[in-house]
Amino acid sequence: NAGVTQTPKFQVLKTGQSMTLQCAQDMNHNSMYWYRQDPGMGLRLIYYSASEGTTDKGEVPNGYNVSRLNKREFSLRLESAAPSQTSVYFCASRYRGLDEQFFGPGTRLTVL
Amino acid sequence: SQQGEEDPQALSIQEGENATMNCSYKTSINNLQWYRQNSGRGLVHLILIRSNEREKHSGRLRVTLDTSKKSSSLLITASRAADTASYFCATDKGGNNDMRFGAGTRLTVKP
Repeated sequence: NAGVTQTPKFQVLKTGQSMTLQCAQDMNHNSMYWYRQDPGMGLRLIYYSASEGTTDKGEVPNGYNVSRLNKREFSLRLESAAPSQTSVYFCASRYRGLDEQFFGPGTRLTVL
Repeated sequence: SQQGEEDPQALSIQEGENATMNCSYKTSINNLQWYRQNSGRGLVHLILIRSNEREKHSGRLRVTLDTSKKSSSLLITASRAADTASYFCATDKGGNNDMRFGAGTRLTVKP
């Protein structure tokens, strides 16, 4: 099992550019999550998908969109990147609520 | 917010010593989880303690939970250099979106 995979590992964007972060899990988990991690802060939830076909906003959804493509894949899109979106982005999944979460290795994004 | 807050922010100890990290939170929870993050890597789940449990052990890890004080502690015994990492508590209220992470404790174990 690969667990949770994320692509790309690193990305540099210019202000106003768009990009999609990809996430896939092979553990047959129902729920998937996107977090951002900024220095000195914990993880903050951007969007989550409780099950295939559903998505919901987390704490900091502004400037982002998501797609739950199928049970395995959950993508995060930045339509018009801003310097404030410079961060490390983590995807996570779990079988159901109240279980432990499994994290991907992260994507380090810099917006100039 | 039910976000957990870890204390201390940073901790430096010698190999073989014990390390204790604390977590406080604000609202009622269903469970509390501890995660480790090595530099530049994703988080790894360490241990989960439910609201009706007071203490849990896993190898060199001991977690306590005091729901009356809304606090938890993580004890790592006989620490090793490989334990150097950031440790996060996460409170889970229930449902799929109610997990909140603290800012973490950065532990350095000197050989």
